[in-house]
Amino acid sequence: DGGITQSPKYLFRKEGQNVTLSCEQNLNHDAMYWYRQDPGQGLRLIYYSQIVNDFQKGDIAEGYSVSREKKESFPLTVTSAQKNPTAFYLCASSQGTVHTFGSGTRLTVV
Amino acid sequence: DQQVKQNSPSLSVQEGRISILNCDYTNSMFDYFLWYKKYPAEGPTFLISISSIKDKNEDGRFTVFLNKSAKHLSLHIVPSQPGDSAVYFCAASTDYKLSFGAGTTVTVRA
Repeated sequence: DGGITQSPKYLFRKEGQNVTLSCEQNLNHDAMYWYRQDPGQGLRLIYYSQIVNDFQKGDIAEGYSVSREKKESFPLTVTSAQKNPTAFYLCASSQGTVHTFGSGTRLTVV
Repeated sequence: DQQVKQNSPSLSVQEGRISILNCDYTNSMFDYFLWYKKYPAEGPTFLISISSIKDKNEDGRFTVFLNKSAKHLSLHIVPSQPGDSAVYFCAASTDYKLSFGAGTTVTVRA
């Protein structure tokens, strides 16, 4: 059953800590994306990758980092430099324009 | 600078009636438009799309209309069903990246 798996579903982070959100896809898609959703706002693009070992900053990349060492995996690290990390994070992949999304990770800073 | 706008944050409609969701955009370089449906704590799921070279696309109960001169698109759901209660996001694409509106919460009343 093809799809995108994000883990964990809920994540709590202490201030000053880095955390890594996992995203794995078995759709054989070339492109992968990370979005952030805040209440009352649309999804905003953090980073995207169109091929392995290459990625580009999106609209709100500050305080985040990514890697794309394998086609199937695109982990997102939320660093301590991110001023307001509490949000719902969505990973997506695509082969063309239509994105397929994972079920999301809700990150809360405590 | 939000390039995709959904000016109605919510819509309430009676079961069996038509739901009309609206979306405006500013970037004339957008070449593909999509609608996604989202339930709480889940990732968005793709509903329907339209290329910029068309003005209408229909899929079952869902129809998307595009007015390029007005930079406006709309989603019609006929007839509305209780399972349609969700948040609907409009998205526009250029270079395979998506820009999202803030979403419209649809509530279908019995």
